[in-house]
Amino acid sequence: NAGVMQNPRHLVRRRGQEARLRCSPVKGHSHVYWYRQLPEEGLKFMVYLQKENIIDESGMPKERFSAEFPKEGPSILRIQQVVRGDSAAYFCASSADPYGYTFGSGTRLTVV
Amino acid sequence: KNEVEQSPQNLTAQEGEFITINCSYSVGISALHWLQQHPGGGIVSLFMLSSGKKKHGRLIATINIQEKHSSLHITASHPRDSAVYICAADRGTGNQFYFGTGTSLTVIP
Repeated sequence: NAGVMQNPRHLVRRRGQEARLRCSPVKGHSHVYWYRQLPEEGLKFMVYLQKENIIDESGMPKERFSAEFPKEGPSILRIQQVVRGDSAAYFCASSADPYGYTFGSGTRLTVV
Repeated sequence: KNEVEQSPQNLTAQEGEFITINCSYSVGISALHWLQQHPGGGIVSLFMLSSGKKKHGRLIATINIQEKHSSLHITASHPRDSAVYICAADRGTGNQFYFGTGTSLTVIP
């Protein structure tokens, strides 16, 4: 199956630890998007990346959050010094151009 | 006011009923997407529309660009259709969607 693969599916972190979320896009897709879904809320855009470039990070919190999409390997969303408010589902989507999105199954982050 | 508004927020239907979920948007778009999210599950893209109507099995999506309105219809609904349906406006700039807050559908046997 050539879908978007996100791992882990579930991630538990203690406050202050780092969380790393991985997204492997559909083969051949060079556009990756990260979205966050807070409990009882809708999806919110976080960041749009193309290979080795951040195109738009207007939805990313200014501190503790970073994203990359290296030339080789998956896209990584990194959250440093996690807090309880970071608990959410994080979804990744990919596309070959700015259309035809495929979503991943998400990573559910729980901060305890 | 949100750029994308969906209605209803919650919907309960009897198996077999015809279901309509509405989406209105206020921004310029290149396409509108309908997404499905099962409880605890991932997100599936159902349709991408830029005009007219699309059909896939028991699902039909329509869009009226002039009125900035789209509808998702489910014919002969089934309990497995129970999910959250999300409307997403694609600005066409490649960088983000505006998402509706979703319609939670429950189909009762």
